[in-house]
Amino acid sequence: GAGVSQSPSNKVTEKGKDVELRCDPISGHTALYWYRQSLGQGLEFLIYFQGNSAPDKSGLPSDRFSAERTGGSVSTLTIQRTQQEDSAVYLCASSQHYPRASGTATEAFFGQGTRLTVV
Amino acid sequence: GNSVTQMEGPVTLSEEAFLTINCTYTATGYPSLFWYVQYPGEGLQLLLKATKADDKGSNKGFEATYRKETTSFHLEKGSVQVSDSAVYFCALSGAGTGRRALTFGSGTRLQVQP
Repeated sequence: GAGVSQSPSNKVTEKGKDVELRCDPISGHTALYWYRQSLGQGLEFLIYFQGNSAPDKSGLPSDRFSAERTGGSVSTLTIQRTQQEDSAVYLCASSQHYPRASGTATEAFFGQGTRLTVV
Repeated sequence: GNSVTQMEGPVTLSEEAFLTINCTYTATGYPSLFWYVQYPGEGLQLLLKATKADDKGSNKGFEATYRKETTSFHLEKGSVQVSDSAVYFCALSGAGTGRRALTFGSGTRLQVQP
């Protein structure tokens, strides 16, 4: 597609259930990012994939969160045993390649996000 | 580690007023700097960027200059419009040994009144 696609756009789940959020990046983009945006807050980094390199998972808030990227394209963010504090908008972004020290500034394109509500 | 600090909002201005949204950063090496904008009901989109010291990014009447000596990247516009009402995020991408994903500030909500 023309842009980053995320599904579902909205998800309401019961506390304790597992959820899967999907991200379809722009074709050919090697870098993929997941962020979380809580109401009225900034963007919290979760995880970053770049090509075949090991992902940067340093932003995942707990071991209930995991993500994978299959075939270097589609990514799935999984939250196990959801808690009410997991309620937020989960944003996915992709870029053509990662920024480098030489001064390359690579634009990241964002999807519309998945609004997760845990009740 | 990398971090970005923005002025808190909301910022409320009248149409045609001058806008400044302050942004300072902490990073290793020489990061690239960005301003992203989120209009109501829409996703984040890039507004402008700068890759090295003294570069000026500009778009849609907005400007920001990469100031390494003050580690700042303040966003300015000479005359705001109602349609500029949105949330603005300053961000950096790490270089060298820093994290390569974007690090965002907390966002500044701009409200422009007619």
